[in-house]
Amino acid sequence: QSVLTQPPSVSAAPGQKVTISCSGSSSNIGNNYVSWYQQLPGTAPKLLIYENNKRPSGIPDRFSGSKSGTSATLGITGLQTGDEADYYCGTWDSSLSAGGVFGGGTKLTVL
Amino acid sequence: EVQLVESGGVVVQPGGSLRLSCAASGFTFDDYAMHWVRQAPGKGLEWVSLISWDGGSTYYADSVKGRFTISRDNSKNSLYLQMNSLRAEDTALYYCAKARKRVVALLDLDYWGQGTLVTVSS
Repeated sequence: QSVLTQPPSVSAAPGQKVTISCSGSSSNIGNNYVSWYQQLPGTAPKLLIYENNKRPSGIPDRFSGSKSGTSATLGITGLQTGDEADYYCGTWDSSLSAGGVFGGGTKLTVL
Repeated sequence: EVQLVESGGVVVQPGGSLRLSCAASGFTFDDYAMHWVRQAPGKGLEWVSLISWDGGSTYYADSVKGRFTISRDNSKNSLYLQMNSLRAEDTALYYCAKARKRVVALLDLDYWGQGTLVTVSS
């Protein structure tokens, strides 16, 4: 059971928009920055979004991030078949057992 | 170009020990915190451990606390994970990942290695 809750799967047609939610608590998302990662099949994860809504260089602006309270959202517009992947949210947890935490991951299918 | 190359993954018996290494290049190693993240076969990502830029601060997931030890040698641009009392549930692909900043209380991992596979089985 992951500390952060994501939907197991989402799907949409090419060209459409999809959002992936990530729910946590005050000890993690509520008081720390959220990052998002894309993992294509058979590859290492790749940073998509950091500090809630910033994109590393090379990440297209089709990808966006937002945070409100103890939840965060990843948005992807103009879906492409190459976006089919697993997506993970992550953040720091400032509880007694301080450390990093990830969501369980969301499988995106582009129909 | 940033490169992270993990090594040391093998098949080990339950209760055994193993040391993973991560060789870093293409950036100033001692300017950044470093992490280990693992992924069991067919499962999601699990954060394992973090070490500050100077090795002075370390953090561990509850699942490995007391059994795993993270360390670094900045003179060799290398990160390590000493794994003791290994269990079947430690079977996973172990990734070395670079933090975006020197600050520790963040999970912004901007570069990842390709991983090294640890299998705990009798």
